[in-house]
Amino acid sequence: EDQVTQSPEALRLQEGESSSLNCSYTVSGLRGLFWYRQDPGKGPEFLFTLYSAGEEKEKERLKATLTKKESFLHITAPKPEDSATYLCAVQDDYKLSFGAGTTVTVRA
Amino acid sequence: DAMVIQNPRYQVTQFGKPVTLSCSQTLNHNVMYWYQQKSSQAPKLLFHYYDKDFNNEADTPDNFQSRRPNTSFCFLDIRSPGLGDAAMYLCATSRQGGYNEQFFGPGTRLTVL
Repeated sequence: EDQVTQSPEALRLQEGESSSLNCSYTVSGLRGLFWYRQDPGKGPEFLFTLYSAGEEKEKERLKATLTKKESFLHITAPKPEDSATYLCAVQDDYKLSFGAGTTVTVRA
Repeated sequence: DAMVIQNPRYQVTQFGKPVTLSCSQTLNHNVMYWYQQKSSQAPKLLFHYYDKDFNNEADTPDNFQSRRPNTSFCFLDIRSPGLGDAAMYLCATSRQGGYNEQFFGPGTRLTVL
């Protein structure tokens, strides 16, 4: 069975303090690794898809990277509006298996 | 803007009283999904449709049913809600085939009294 583990569970940052979130996974046949952002009381919002080890994608202050066993989401110089829960998911065939997420709080 | 819409956003029901949640989409995606997400937990897939073909996850309770009358709409029926069914219910869509991201609606927060 596919497993996705995210760490840390929670991360408190000062504005401008860069950090990284980890997503480790075990899957029989990886078809894609997805990062989503989820604000309280809302549905997940798609950020990135990564397909193969070594791939990187960037969007504003976020950068996602992928190895054969894990993915990192780097947040560079975060702002308070980056506060959210970041979910990682792996796709095996049709199904997305999600991690429990990392809740990031950025203080001004 | 193309989107996934869920109604209602908040639903309160009584223990054992049937409830229906709805999802509609303007993305014209042929795959639709229903997830259950409890507080501080990962979204858990309940079932999905490829067009009209229904696919149930093995561990989805029989208490949960779904209908998809056309491409745009999908419904989640909870026949006899228990206290443990209180959660956020998320609808998502994607294109069929390949490695396509899923697009989520805003969710329906279900409270069971």
